[in-house]
Amino acid sequence: DVKVTQSSRYLVKRTGEKVFLECVQDMDHENMFWYRQDPGLGLRLIYFSYDVKMKEKGDIPEGYSVSREKKERFSLILESASTNQTSMYLCASSWLVGRGPEKLFFGSGTQLSVL
Amino acid sequence: GQQLNQSPQSMFIQEGEDVSMNCTSSSIFNTWLWYKQDPGEGPVLLIALYKAGELTSNGRLTAQFGITRKDSFLNISASIPSDVGIYFCAGRSSVGGSEKLVFGKGTKLTVNP
Repeated sequence: DVKVTQSSRYLVKRTGEKVFLECVQDMDHENMFWYRQDPGLGLRLIYFSYDVKMKEKGDIPEGYSVSREKKERFSLILESASTNQTSMYLCASSWLVGRGPEKLFFGSGTQLSVL
Repeated sequence: GQQLNQSPQSMFIQEGEDVSMNCTSSSIFNTWLWYKQDPGEGPVLLIALYKAGELTSNGRLTAQFGITRKDSFLNISASIPSDVGIYFCAGRSSVGGSEKLVFGKGTKLTVNP
C-alpha cells in the first residue's frame, strides 16, 4: 500500500513564526503536492513538485514556499505564519503518467492553528 | 481556469437509503476520480474511471464516466453510518501541454441511523 506520512496531525503556532510541514512518501512517486482545505472552499493547490528540486506554483502560493531535496520528501514552509493560514494541510503524491499526475494518494493531514 | 461543479453540497439521509451525487464541467476530462474523506483524515481514493461511458463498482459504490466526458456520477446503495464523510470528485485533463487534476468542492454526507 502507498503510504504518505505527514509529520504532525495537529500544530499550534503563533503569528509570525516560521512553520515547517513535512511529508514523506514511500512509493517512489515523481509528483508531490501540498493542498489546503477550508470549509466550503474544497481543496486548493498551494505548490507541487514533479521532480527533485523542481517546484511549481499552484493556485494559492502566496505566503508559502516549498522544498524538495529528496524524491521522497516534500516540505511546505510558512515563512511568517498568519492567522489566515489556519487550515487543514494535505500532502499528496502520485506517479507521473503521460504529462501529469494520475491518481493522488493523500496523507492524513495536518490541522494547523495560528494564534 | 477549469472548474468542477459538484452537487449536492450536502446530503442528510436515513440509513438504508441510496445516494447519488455528480460532478459536471464545461471542460472535457480524460480521467475521473472519486475520493472519500473521513472526518479528520485525508481523502482516500474510491474509484478511478478512464473511458467515456465506463461504469465501475467498488462494493456498494458505483461510479460512471459520462458519455460527453464532461461529467461523472457516484451512487451509494443501501447507505450505512460509516458512509459519513465528504466525497470529492476530481477530473484529469490536458491543459497547455501538461496534465492537470481539478477537484470539486465536495459533497458532505450525513447518515442518520
